[in-house]
Amino acid sequence: GEDVEQSLFLSVREGDSSVINCTYTDSSSTYLYWYKQEPGAGLQLLTYIFSNMDMKQDQRLTVLLNKKDKHLSLRIADTQTGDSAIYFCAEMGDYKLSFGAGTTVTVRA
Amino acid sequence: GAVVSQHPSRVICKSGTSVKIECRSLDFQATTMFWYRQFPKKSLMLMATSNEGSKATYEQGVEKDKFLINHASLTLSTLTVTSAHPEDSSFYICSASGGQGAGSSYEQYFGPGTRLTVT
Repeated sequence: GEDVEQSLFLSVREGDSSVINCTYTDSSSTYLYWYKQEPGAGLQLLTYIFSNMDMKQDQRLTVLLNKKDKHLSLRIADTQTGDSAIYFCAEMGDYKLSFGAGTTVTVRA
Repeated sequence: GAVVSQHPSRVICKSGTSVKIECRSLDFQATTMFWYRQFPKKSLMLMATSNEGSKATYEQGVEKDKFLINHASLTLSTLTVTSAHPEDSSFYICSASGGQGAGSSYEQYFGPGTRLTVT
């Protein structure tokens, strides 16, 4: 994870939008990913974006990629209590994933 | 689709014994499987990459004689922790990727993880 950095915590009110940010260092990364991990569980692939794209939208999720600044973000619209989890940003290089440390998102009523 | 299972989900073993963890891709053929280790409130650390029918490639610092990986079929990989010690206690997660569609080479799907506790 030292090549991928994320803020560690985010608290958001139910119904608001959440924005999780990530920076990476490998300019040759072909794909960038967002995974969700709930307590005691494995990782769930939420979405990914190819490096030649700058935005991808999938229902409540919007991924923005700024390749020049090596910055990736995940926006969750209308955040729900079920969105409380740890979110990992990851980059793929040489078919291997490098993960950030994860952002713990807490949704408050 | 793209479901990966692990067994067991939790295991407690005594120091010095060996433990085997299975990782299965249930609905796709996984040409490549990955084994990760996750410490509490930490990111995933890649331990090794295994391709079906060939020897696993271990990351730097991971003892290949201690963490034995076998990928005998396109749907099954096993990780055996040999002569386990308390410091091996951790959450072990596998992932799998395959050819076309779900599980293609740029998509990794993760198992639910195995909590190993060595007493």
